[in-house]
This record gives sequence, C-alpha cells and structure tokens, in this order.
Amino acid sequence: KAGVTQTPRYLIKTRGQQVTLSCSPISGHRSVSWYQQTPGQGLQFLFEYFSETQRNKGNFPGRFSGRQFSNSRSEMNVSTLELGDSALYLCASSLEGDGNTIYFGEGSWLTVV
Amino acid sequence: GENVGLHLPTLSVQEGDNSIINCAYSNSASDYFIWYKQESGKGPQFIIDIRSNMDKRQGQRVTVLLNKTVKHLSLQIAATQPGDSAVYFCAEKRGYSTLTFGKGTMLLVSP
Repeated sequence: KAGVTQTPRYLIKTRGQQVTLSCSPISGHRSVSWYQQTPGQGLQFLFEYFSETQRNKGNFPGRFSGRQFSNSRSEMNVSTLELGDSALYLCASSLEGDGNTIYFGEGSWLTVV
Repeated sequence: GENVGLHLPTLSVQEGDNSIINCAYSNSASDYFIWYKQESGKGPQFIIDIRSNMDKRQGQRVTVLLNKTVKHLSLQIAATQPGDSAVYFCAEKRGYSTLTFGKGTMLLVSP
C-alpha cells in the first residue's frame, strides 16, 4: 500500500510569487491535513480537510489556503510568498474513525528567495 | 540531509542502552498522545500512541508512559540502536486529526 505522496519534493520560488503543493493520501484515507515545519517554530498545523470540506484551520494568514478533491487528494496554495514561508510543508492522512493514526508524507521543501 | 531540528535538546546514548525521551504537554483535553520519529530529510514516522485514559502502552522495543497529573509523556526505547538516531516529537491530538507538536528531542546513538 503506497504511503502519503507529496509533490514536488523541492522547489524554489521568488518573493511575491505563489505556489501550489499537492498531496495524495493513503488509499482509503479521507482526512488530509497540512503542517508547516521550520527550525524556529517547529511543526505547526495549517488546516485539515475531510470530504472536500475544511474542518479545522490553524493560525496562519489568509495567504495560505487549501482544498480537497472528491478523490481525497489535496492541494495547498501560498500566495504572495514571503521569505519566512521557506519551510518543509508536510501532508498527513488518516482514516475517519481511526483518527489517532496519522501518517505523514515526506514533505515538500519550499525555499523562497 | 536538511536539518529541521536545530537547537533541539539532545540525548546521547551508547548502542544497547535504554533511552528515555520526555515531553510536557499543555492541554488536559487532548484525547490521544502520539510519538513520531523524524530522520533527516524525511517526514515524521508514527511510532506509538496512547489514549488519554491509559497510563502505559508497549510496542516493539518502545513503551510510552502518560502521567496526566503532571502532564508528562515519555518514550522509552529499549536496546537503542544506531538506526534509532533521529528527532523524536510528541504530539497531542484533540478532535478530528489536528496535532499539536512539541519542540522535539534529538537522539544520537553511538555504536
């Protein structure tokens, strides 16, 4: 069974640009959540989706957005990139009813220059 | 690989020793506590979890202890191996699939 798949793995963007990251959850998993990881702030929750609906949102500005498709795949978008958005963006998936076992992908490394 | 755990508390042990990694949590309403292992350049890997109404749970070579009185969680790794070297995070789960992570501890295992 394939794990959580994130693309792209590495990318470099310029300040002011926007970026879209993609996540394919484990087959059968309907909950997808996103986290940002930086050396200074650690792992921070961005948002969580279930059945194409955002169920929970972390404390990030509106430049950070996401969506989930009917096949449970998810994307997150960051607009008007800032240097401080440089981070590892992690996607995680879990089964509904088994929400305690949350599996992470390898992440997308974003560098903003 | 990339370093995501700069300036972390570090635990250094010898191969074969037992390791104990500690974590303090903040919210009494958390329903699950989870330990993750993160190797350089990789995403967090699930190790073991414990429900809030339990105080101990054992897995293969790992044991998690939960002390709700002092809001403390620990991960014990028996017979630590060089492959256990990584950053370890505790996380609290409150509702749905939202995790709040601790700062992490770097475990270094010397052969």
